[in-house]
Amino acid sequence: GENVGLHLPTLSVQEGDNSIINCAYSNSASDYFIWYKQESGKGPQFIIDIRSNMDKRQGQRVTVLLNKTVKHLSLQIAATQPGDSAVYFCAEGTGGGSYIPTFGRGTSLIVHP
Amino acid sequence: SAVISQKPSRDICQRGTSLTIQCQVDSQVTMMFWYRQQPGQSLTLIATANQGSEATYESGFVIDKFPISRPNLTFSTLTVSNMSPEDSSIYLCSAQNTVEAFFGQGTRLTVV
Repeated sequence: GENVGLHLPTLSVQEGDNSIINCAYSNSASDYFIWYKQESGKGPQFIIDIRSNMDKRQGQRVTVLLNKTVKHLSLQIAATQPGDSAVYFCAEGTGGGSYIPTFGRGTSLIVHP
Repeated sequence: SAVISQKPSRDICQRGTSLTIQCQVDSQVTMMFWYRQQPGQSLTLIATANQGSEATYESGFVIDKFPISRPNLTFSTLTVSNMSPEDSSIYLCSAQNTVEAFFGQGTRLTVV
């Protein structure tokens, strides 16, 4: 069935480096995508979203890129900090008033000071 | 934005018993959902809590096992019934009006 998955379960980076977290999706009908950050012992926290009619969106230190041709989504974090250490989930949805997200597998980002 | 308070934050329960988890949102929201998350894994949607009517359950989840209430636009409960060790997990409540979902801190349930 349709699913959202991640390429790398764990990503280790040095503080100050840029991080790139990848996500593959298979539902071509999805019209929006979201990245969530989940710190240990907490619920997921919204980071940024992107609509299917866009290929790039920037936030504070984060950029999301969408490649619909290959059904690929990425989250770039600039100047990664120890506080960025968490599990990152991509999620997709088809809108239409329901906005129920389907979550991918998750990538654990470890930032070394 | 919305702030979600979920309780209890954790519990250890005997098999065969039931636990009711409460979710309170600080503002009215259109949609409320309940998820289950095994440690180290992704979130699995259990059901959509519908205000004033029966919840909409995802495949693999049934009302007898996970009864859900939503009496108004700010509050919902999830009951895990007749618990077994396989029900040990983190249960998360979420609320949203549009694309952005807000989550509670979760309830860590251990069934012994």
